[in-house]
Amino acid sequence: RKEVEQDPGPFNVPEGATVAFNCTYSNSASQSFFWYRQDCRKEPKLLMSVYSSGNEDGRFTAQLNRASQYISLLIRDSKLSDSATYLCVVNVSPYDKVIFGPGTSLSVIP
Amino acid sequence: DTAVSQTPKYLVTQMGNDKSIKCEQNLGHDTMYWYKQDSKKFLKIMFSYNNKELIINETVPNRFSPKSPDKAHLNLHINSLELGDSAVYFCASSQTGTLSPGTQYFGPGTRLLVL
Repeated sequence: RKEVEQDPGPFNVPEGATVAFNCTYSNSASQSFFWYRQDCRKEPKLLMSVYSSGNEDGRFTAQLNRASQYISLLIRDSKLSDSATYLCVVNVSPYDKVIFGPGTSLSVIP
Repeated sequence: DTAVSQTPKYLVTQMGNDKSIKCEQNLGHDTMYWYKQDSKKFLKIMFSYNNKELIINETVPNRFSPKSPDKAHLNLHINSLELGDSAVYFCASSQTGTLSPGTQYFGPGTRLLVL
């Protein structure tokens, strides 16, 4: 089993739609969780950290379920500019490696 | 002001050559990383340095040798380049906290093509 797995995608959704991405991780000792975004031919950038109680940043909501070792990202009211690859990222401890999932590709269509 | 910069941006070279990629960060971070992103877009960590000391060394051929002359720089030297080394190499930095590795700030990437 891979350390971090994500929905394969691609997701093609119309503008204004709500889309959800899932991510599972294998190491139950994982402590830090993030969502990064990577635009085509660009570097990854932090979208948001994921906290135990769940957190929201504008149209983006992240949830963590430690028991199921599952992370989700919900995007409401999709914009064309949301088109990108979304990377689920997991870390066990600060000096341990940061593990990136394979990413899920999102295309928001006019 | 570019926070994490890499040079060169593009590198096309022949098999068997030796090449270096340079990385600099001006964020004052204590940890720097090298990642490889292959044609399938999978981003994998190669090395991590904290305060100039190697703390993560994944299963990478010893043809790859990182060097950190100071906290702000982490260079990657590759000997005897092979076709399979073709990929995008990203440098990143973060400020490691007590509970979290911190946000990773990535450089723009170096696109390496080995012919």
